[in-house]
Amino acid sequence: GDSVTQMEGPVTLSEEAFLTINCTYTATGYPSLFWYVQYPGEGLQLLLKATKADDKGSNKGFEATYRKETTSFHLEKGSVQVSDSAVYFCALSVSGTYKYIFGTGTRLKVLA
Amino acid sequence: SAVISQKPSRDICQRGTSLTIQCQVDSQVTMMFWYRQQPGQSLTLIATANQGSEATYESGFVIDKFPISRPNLTFSTLTVSNLSPEDSSIYLCSAEGENTEAFFGQGTRLTVV
Repeated sequence: GDSVTQMEGPVTLSEEAFLTINCTYTATGYPSLFWYVQYPGEGLQLLLKATKADDKGSNKGFEATYRKETTSFHLEKGSVQVSDSAVYFCALSVSGTYKYIFGTGTRLKVLA
Repeated sequence: SAVISQKPSRDICQRGTSLTIQCQVDSQVTMMFWYRQQPGQSLTLIATANQGSEATYESGFVIDKFPISRPNLTFSTLTVSNLSPEDSSIYLCSAEGENTEAFFGQGTRLTVV
């Protein structure tokens, strides 16, 4: 079945460091891919998305490119801030539906 | 984008009791979903709430434990029945948006004592 594999955390970085959180997927059909963020004590927020191969999603300095050849959707940010500390979830939507499959989440801690 | 209101935001319940969680969407949607996020874990889909018919449950989830109602296109409830400490989780409602993007409620943090 469809699945999402996400790098385990926690990831601890200094402010202004470069961030990469790896995400790979297996899916039948053509899923849409998402990154969600969960700040402490809050619900899920959509960070960015890509709906087809080679699409690049971007928001708040974060980027991820839908790579069909490597079945990946890695999250990157050039310079993280303390306020980026949160748990990040990679997810896919099962082709043609709104049912999501989530990765296990990666906790990011950014130190001042 | 849809706005989803979920309540209660948190509750502490005695084992053996039940908790009903409400999810209200500010626009009509065809698809609504319920997820569970166990402590330190990812989100797992419990069921799809269908308007006018029974919910569709994922493997490992049954109607007797997680009855769901969907009386109209903007509202759904999830009940977690016969609570045990293992049910302590965050429960999230989601609804369809555009282009397969789903929107999520803030979640209900349930603690069973």
